[in-house]
Amino acid sequence: KAGVTQTPRYLIKTRGQQVTLSCSPISGHRSVSWYQQTPGQGLQFLFEYFSETQRNKGNFPGRFSGRQFSNSRSEMNVSTLELGDSALYLCASSNLNTDTQYFGPGTRLTVL
Amino acid sequence: GESVGLHLPTLSVQEGDNSIINCAYSNSASDYFIWYKQESGKGPQFIIDIRSNMDKRQGQRVTVLLNKTVKHLSLQIAATQPGDSAVYFCAEKVGNRDDKIIFGKGTRLHILP
Repeated sequence: KAGVTQTPRYLIKTRGQQVTLSCSPISGHRSVSWYQQTPGQGLQFLFEYFSETQRNKGNFPGRFSGRQFSNSRSEMNVSTLELGDSALYLCASSNLNTDTQYFGPGTRLTVL
Repeated sequence: GESVGLHLPTLSVQEGDNSIINCAYSNSASDYFIWYKQESGKGPQFIIDIRSNMDKRQGQRVTVLLNKTVKHLSLQIAATQPGDSAVYFCAEKVGNRDDKIIFGKGTRLHILP
């Protein structure tokens, strides 16, 4: 079974731009969660989607948004990028039968 | 096992020795716990999990111990190998399926030759 995939793996943007990151969960997994990982703050929860609905949301500003499609693939969008948005963005998927989340390799976003 | 700011706690262990990584969790209602390993440049990888109705669970070379009285979780790695070098995170979750998983800040395991 293929693991969680994320695209792109690396991204460089400038302040004020927007970015869209993509995540394909493990086949059969309907829950997708997004995390931001930085050296200073560790792993911080952004949001979780289940069956195309946002089920949980972390404490991030409205510039961070996401969505999930009917095939469970998910995207997250960050608008008006700031330098502090530079981070590794991780996606994790899980299924109904387990609480375990399986992570993708992440997208490394650098904001200049 | 938890850290503040930029400096993760580091555990240095001689190759071949056993490693014990500790984690204090925050919510007494949490009933599901997971350990993840994150190698440089990769996403976190599931190692082992345990539910609150157990106090010990063993995997291949790894054992997780849960002490609910003091809200403490530990990961024991037997016969530590160079490939075990990574940051290890504990995570907790309350049984309600709608609750999110909360991650600790991690411990860096450094293997000495």
